[in-house]
Amino acid sequence: DIQMTQSPSSLSASAGDRVTITCRASQDISNYLAWYQQKPGKVPKVLIYAASTLQSGVPSRFSGSGSGTDFTLTISSLQPEDVATYYCQKYSSAPPYTFGQGTKLEIK
Amino acid sequence: QVQLVESGGGVVQPGRSLRLSCATSGFDFSSYDMHWVRQVPGTGLEWVALISYDGTFKNYVDSVRGRFTISRDNSKDTLYLQMNSLRAEDTAVFYCARGRDGYSDSWGQGTLVSVSS
Repeated sequence: DIQMTQSPSSLSASAGDRVTITCRASQDISNYLAWYQQKPGKVPKVLIYAASTLQSGVPSRFSGSGSGTDFTLTISSLQPEDVATYYCQKYSSAPPYTFGQGTKLEIK
Repeated sequence: QVQLVESGGGVVQPGRSLRLSCATSGFDFSSYDMHWVRQVPGTGLEWVALISYDGTFKNYVDSVRGRFTISRDNSKDTLYLQMNSLRAEDTAVFYCARGRDGYSDSWGQGTLVSVSS
């Protein structure tokens, strides 16, 4: 099975900072990669699919890039409401549709 | 709007069974693949199972294959997860989620399953 590895596992940044989270697949998954945000006590919400397509209603400060095995989620200017855990998920070809282990983002 | 409401969670002894349901509304249920995803409180997300829009294709994570069965009733707009031979490590919040080409674009609020003697 394809493994998904996120880094870092946690990070602290200041409001207004540019933040980047990385997700690496153990095999080529083309662009079949989604990013989710889960705020404390809340349900996960999709931010980006197909590696770089922004889900409707998601603020434009979120962006995704990459293909093959290496992907990034970028927040261009961190806002206090972005405090959350972020997960990548591969959905290429056959299941399992594995999630990364998550990146917990905090505000300094 | 799209709504997914899970039910059926609770406390169950190891080795026993439980059936989760996910009642949906606000979209054409019979046109969408559906997923179950679980989360041990305080930890990450784990994809559990997928069923195709018409019920003909099903797949599971290895840790539940042979014990869990995903099914759906398109006449009732409802998704199910039959969980047998439950183990302590199955303790988690179980979410149902609508599939879009493999990723999940809408999620329920989750139902907690606790496996304990």
